[in-house]
Parts: sequence; structure tokens; C-alpha cells
Amino acid sequence: DAGVIQSPRHEVTEMGQEVTLRCKPISGHDYLFWYRQTMMRGLELLIYFNNNVPIDDSGMPEDRFSAKMPNASFSTLKIQPSEPRDSAVYFCASSLGLARSTDTQYFGPGTRLTVL
Amino acid sequence: TQLLEQSPQFLSIQEGENLTVYCNSSSVFSSLQWYRQEPGEGPVLLVTVVTGGEVKKLKRLTFQFGDARKDSSLHITAAQPGDTGLYLCAGARDYKLSFGAGTTVTVRA
Repeated sequence: DAGVIQSPRHEVTEMGQEVTLRCKPISGHDYLFWYRQTMMRGLELLIYFNNNVPIDDSGMPEDRFSAKMPNASFSTLKIQPSEPRDSAVYFCASSLGLARSTDTQYFGPGTRLTVL
Repeated sequence: TQLLEQSPQFLSIQEGENLTVYCNSSSVFSSLQWYRQEPGEGPVLLVTVVTGGEVKKLKRLTFQFGDARKDSSLHITAAQPGDTGLYLCAGARDYKLSFGAGTTVTVRA
């Protein structure tokens, strides 16, 4: 298996522009997670899906952030409009189950977003 | 404020030395995981501990879960340059993972 795939790997954009990050989870995994990693706040859970349905979006910072999962093999995280404080590395992860002892979250390589 | 506090934040040691990283919280977790992250990559799971007082060993790495399931430690024996990386602990609570800020470990050859 190719693992979790994220694109793009790097994104540089200007404040006010729309940014779309993409993720392909591991085939057969029922859960998909979006995380954000910064030096100040570490790794934070933004939202997670179960069988394509958003379950908990309490970590989404503002209405400027939205996430969708139209099918089992694709998810997007959109920021509109983007701001410099959104600069971070965004990770997508997937797992068979949810944070039980046998469930492993597999992380993608991340998208490094820079908003100028 | 982080739910999990890791210490130290940075650790630089010589090859062959031992090191310990701590992960502490005032909250109880159903399980605790340790990850290692290398530059430009996502975190990779090293181990999951579930039972209070549990000790797991993976070659030169020893993981311990506190009796009260609020804290954990990672001990590396005879560290090697390949152990260099960011070590993250993550506690499972309400079916979600909360991560510590991480400990950056550098092992000098």
C-alpha cells in the first residue's frame, strides 16, 4: 500500500487566497483525521470523519476552515480566505478504528502551507 | 495549554548514552501512544500502552505507562544517531488523540 497520500507537499499563497489541501487515505480505513502542526501549538486535531461523515469538528479554528469527504478515498481541507497565521504543516491520517489499543493512525507526509 | 506536558523539550546526547523522555498529565487516558517524527515526514507510531503500570520493550526502547494512566516515559538505551528525531506522546481520551508538544532528540556520532 502507498500509505496516506497528501497533495500538494508545499503550498505558498498570499493572504486572502483560497487554499485546498487534499488527502487520499489508506484503502479500507474507516476513519480520516486532519491535524495541524505548529511550533507554538504542536499537533492539533482539527476534524475527523467516520465512513465519510464528519464526526467531530470542534478543533476547526474558524469558519474559514472547512473539510469534506465526498467518498472513501478522498478528502479536502479548505481555507478561505487564508491568513498568515494559518501557516503550518497540515497532516492527514487514517485508521481502521478509533484510538483503541489496537488502532494505529497512519499519517501522511503533510502539506507545508505558507501564507504571505 | 497542552493536555500532555513533555520534558525535556530538547535533548542532545552522545552516541552510546542513555536518555529518558517524560510525558505527564493531570488527566487519565484510556491508552497512550508514542510516535517518532523525522523532518519532512508525518509521525510514525512506535508503541501503544494500555494498562496502568504496563512496560513495553522494543529493542533498545522501553516504554512505561504510569499506574494511574496519567503519565508515561520513554527510555532509550545506548542511543544511536538513527534515534534522532521528534518524539511525541499522545493520549487517547473520548476516542480522540491529544498530543504533547514533543521532545527533539539529537544523538551525536
